[in-house]
Amino acid sequence: SQQGEEDPQALSIQEGENATMNCSYKTSINNLQWYRQNSGRGLVHLILIRSNEREKHSGRLRVTLDTSKKSSSLLITASRAADTASYFCATDIPGEKLVFGKGMKLTVNP
Amino acid sequence: SAVISQKPSRDICQRGTSLTIQCQVDSQVTMMFWYRQQPGQSLTLIATANQGSEATYESGFVIDKFPISRPNLTFSTLTVSNMSPEDSSIYLCSGGMNTEAFFGQGTRLTVV
Repeated sequence: SQQGEEDPQALSIQEGENATMNCSYKTSINNLQWYRQNSGRGLVHLILIRSNEREKHSGRLRVTLDTSKKSSSLLITASRAADTASYFCATDIPGEKLVFGKGMKLTVNP
Repeated sequence: SAVISQKPSRDICQRGTSLTIQCQVDSQVTMMFWYRQQPGQSLTLIATANQGSEATYESGFVIDKFPISRPNLTFSTLTVSNMSPEDSSIYLCSGGMNTEAFFGQGTRLTVV
């Protein structure tokens, strides 16, 4: 089955900087979602963007979706140490369950 | 939204034994899923837990190894049977409402 691919696989930044993560996928989707996972715990839903949407905001999060390129980006502005986590994109594919990408590890240094 | 309670949070088990993981949701969800996550890896779907009927397993996972129950809309169990060290992993329960998935905190299983 299809799997989103996050890029980069790991990112280390300083507190206050912006972090951008990219996700590419292969087939048509209903929507694309981003999740955060802290240190091997459960995943927390961050934001969902539908296939007919191009951009969405939630607090310090900004998600874009380009269905022609089959890619999405997650921007975290003014990062904080508490944003340190692994981030996963998940694609909601017609007729299938959510498919998660491999994840990207973000480290925000104080 | 939904809050999912999963227990145990971690366990260390002897090879050849079985462990049952419980998942309780605070509200009715349409779908419940069980995932496995190896350290530093993505989530792999084990199965969809169906209320009152047999779970739907993904390729590579079988009922004899991972029996699943879902007696009602808010509760499910996953058993990891006849464990080996290769079963050491994090097991995650998930409940779906519409298009959003909610996750339990996971069960970190170590088989020795």
